[in-house]
Amino acid sequence: TQLLEQSPQFLSIQEGENLTVYCNSSSVFSSLQWYRQEPGEGPVLLVTVVTGGEVKKLKRLTFQFGDARKDSSLHITAAQPGDTGLYLCAAPYENRDDKIIFGKGTRLHILP
Amino acid sequence: DTGVSQDPRHKITKRGQNVTFRCDPISEHNRLYWYRQTLGQGPEFLTYFQNEAQLEKSRLLSDRFSAERPKGSFSTLEIQRTEQGDSAMYLCASSLGYGQGGGTEAFFGQGTRLTVV
Repeated sequence: TQLLEQSPQFLSIQEGENLTVYCNSSSVFSSLQWYRQEPGEGPVLLVTVVTGGEVKKLKRLTFQFGDARKDSSLHITAAQPGDTGLYLCAAPYENRDDKIIFGKGTRLHILP
Repeated sequence: DTGVSQDPRHKITKRGQNVTFRCDPISEHNRLYWYRQTLGQGPEFLTYFQNEAQLEKSRLLSDRFSAERPKGSFSTLEIQRTEQGDSAMYLCASSLGYGQGGGTEAFFGQGTRLTVV
């Protein structure tokens, strides 16, 4: 069974601080995605990383795909209350292009 | 709005009743997915359609669950004889579905939150 393990499960920090959350697996993935989900809403795609070692930036968010394509990290610089939400990583199941599996997510709360 | 839409947003039903949810995907997307999400968990795959064909069903989908996509456009998910354990957020997503291992990006609706009392 392919698993995507996310850590930490919960994170509560003050506005302005930096943070990193992780998505790890024992499997190699052809690509990996990060989504953000707000309460009562569906997940919204933030980024897709494809190449080992790839780094993508989205304003204050930096996403990195591990060299071996087994893990990924999301770093937020100067967190803001608007960053609050559930951050989910997702990947193609068995590298099929027709089924996506998700981690359990990191619930992030930014305190003003 | 050209995103994925789901209806209803919320449903409260008594145990034993049947419920049906609808999903309208992004119009040019040929793949449609149903996921279930419970509190503290990520979305769990239930089933998916390529056009009108249902290509895979998770073992999570008991015989009480049925999904259809009759014309390859909108889809319905029906739960018969609901149980309290069915209470969850039911998410629909659609995608274009590109080449082998190319990275499938799914676009989600806002979900239907089901509460079985």
